[in-house]
Amino acid sequence: AQSVAQPEDQVNVAEGNPLTVKCTYSVSGNPYLFWYVQYPNRGLQFLLKYITGDNLVKGSYGFEAEFNKSQTSFHLKKPSALVSDSALYFCAVRDQERGRDDKIIFGKGTRLHILP
Amino acid sequence: GAGVSQTPSNKVTEKGKYVELRCDPISGHTALYWYRQSLGQGPEFLIYFQGTGAADDSGLPNDRFFAVRPEGSVSTLKIQRTERGDSAVYLCASSSRGGSRNTEAFFGQGTRLTVV
Repeated sequence: AQSVAQPEDQVNVAEGNPLTVKCTYSVSGNPYLFWYVQYPNRGLQFLLKYITGDNLVKGSYGFEAEFNKSQTSFHLKKPSALVSDSALYFCAVRDQERGRDDKIIFGKGTRLHILP
Repeated sequence: GAGVSQTPSNKVTEKGKYVELRCDPISGHTALYWYRQSLGQGPEFLIYFQGTGAADDSGLPNDRFFAVRPEGSVSTLKIQRTERGDSAVYLCASSSRGGSRNTEAFFGQGTRLTVV
């Protein structure tokens, strides 16, 4: 079965330090991977995606993510965290199962706290 | 419209009642998704439309849940005989070029359903 795992419920980082939010996935074919962010009382906002090509993809607000096929991971990163980055982050993968390949499956989310 | 619009933003209903939740996707988007998000969890897939037809309804939890998209634009999620366990935030998303795997989905603000 296709799945996404976010092993950390919460990540705390001091402002100005680099941050990493972890994501691993399992699909039957080639993965299409996404990161979304959710601020309090707001909808999910798209950050970035990996489809093919360069393993390092860049997205909104200075975030980037690195696709690692051998480790089946797609960790979200940012070189220097801001307090305003504090939010809930979701990793997602497009299901590759035959006949249902347009369904997007989400992880349970990781709450990121940036400490001033 | 500029984004995905969901109405109402909040809905409180009594156990056993019928409710309808509306989603107005981004103009021109052919794909539409419904998800359900409970507190502290990631979005749970319910159903996906391409145009007017449901391409994948495997996430609907039981036959009390039904969704339609009669003209390929606005969609309505219908829940019969509501139960307290149905309480959650119901999210709608749309994407362009339905069926294209590399297209991200854009989300509405959600409808918070509370069954009392």
